[in-house]
Amino acid sequence: GAVVSQHPSRVICKSGTSVKIECRSLDFQATTMFWYRQFPKQSLMLMATSNEGSKATYEQGVEKDKFLINHASLTLSTLTVTSAHPEDSSFYICSARAGRESNEKLFFGSGTQLSVL
Amino acid sequence: SQQGEEDPQALSIQEGENATMNCSYKTSINNLQWYRQNSGRGLVHLILIRSNEREKHSGRLRVTLDTSKKSSSLLITASRAADTASYFCATDELVKLSFGAGTTVTVRA
Repeated sequence: GAVVSQHPSRVICKSGTSVKIECRSLDFQATTMFWYRQFPKQSLMLMATSNEGSKATYEQGVEKDKFLINHASLTLSTLTVTSAHPEDSSFYICSARAGRESNEKLFFGSGTQLSVL
Repeated sequence: SQQGEEDPQALSIQEGENATMNCSYKTSINNLQWYRQNSGRGLVHLILIRSNEREKHSGRLRVTLDTSKKSSSLLITASRAADTASYFCATDELVKLSFGAGTTVTVRA
């Protein structure tokens, strides 16, 4: 089946630094990628939807200047947490959609655990 | 925003027993999907049921969908220790998937 690679799986950083998380579709072209955030024992909350070659669409309450999303190619999307603070500590997961319209084929990365000290 | 509500929040069963969890949602959907998440990992797609379907089977999984009640259930039969995980329903609203709160299932050996 299709594979989405997310890297790094775990990152610990100091407060004030920026962290970049990569999401790659390994064997298909992902026209759309989604970024989620998950707190312990809670559900996935959609942060933003990114379409290749255009600006990301952010969900209400998500700071676009804080969470920079780039989707410059059909196989790579990146999420940069800028000037990270302890409250940004969370589990971040990406997913990629193979088709242009259907959400029936979504493939998820393995997630990134971000810990900000 | 979170569309689906799941119950129970947690479920503990003996190996070999069946596990049933429910999901309710609020808006019209294109389809409903169930995912499994092992602790600290990404999501694995289990099964998809379309809005015009009422029941679907895949191995030990059985999913039902009642669009009039806006609810779905996932049944795992003959549970195994390896089924220990969190299970999420996700409603496809065309532009995005919205996930429920999840049910944490613990299967005791």
